[in-house]
Amino acid sequence: EDKVVQSPLSLVVHEGDTVTLNCSYEVTNFRSLLWYKQEKKAPTFLFMLTSSGIEKKSGRLSSILDKKELFSILNITATQTGDSAVYLCATNNQAGTALIFGKGTTLSVSS
Amino acid sequence: GAVVSQHPSWVICKSGTSVKIECRSLDFQATTMFWYRQFPKQSLMLMATSNEGSKATYEQGVEKDKFLINHASLTLSTLTVTSAHPEDSSFYICSAIGYELYGYTFGSGTRLTVV
Repeated sequence: EDKVVQSPLSLVVHEGDTVTLNCSYEVTNFRSLLWYKQEKKAPTFLFMLTSSGIEKKSGRLSSILDKKELFSILNITATQTGDSAVYLCATNNQAGTALIFGKGTTLSVSS
Repeated sequence: GAVVSQHPSWVICKSGTSVKIECRSLDFQATTMFWYRQFPKQSLMLMATSNEGSKATYEQGVEKDKFLINHASLTLSTLTVTSAHPEDSSFYICSAIGYELYGYTFGSGTRLTVV
């Protein structure tokens, strides 16, 4: 059965800290791994990763994929209170169409 | 960028009534629309996948007669929750992919409360 497992499930840090969120996956027909940030409403897209070892970066956020070990990490440096959210990791289902999501990591950044 | 407009953003209905949720792709053609459901503190669970002009494909455990999905055009898909019950109360989100889209685009979600 295809699955996505995220850890930790929740994390509380102080502003300025660096955090690393983990995502492991088991998918029969892997195509890509995606990271999303979800606040009150629908998820907003962060990264799509398809190749191992190539870091994607956007401001203070970065992510990398290891297709051999079947995991990805999302790094956030110099965290801010606005980074508080649920971070979702997803990959394609066996049919290669829809996304299957992990349970998410709830990040709380205190000032 | 690509935008999916989802309406309503929240709805309260009485048990036994039906509710329709709409998702429109505003600036692209949504070849495939996905409908997800999210219960509190849970992740998004795929309910069904619909391709324009075809019948939706439902995930195991999702009642197709209860959750009616229509994807009649490349810009509009609807989810109708028929004979809603309190256990159907949830956050429903659509997501679309289209030609030359990078990643999946989500609607803003609909919070359904059945009383």
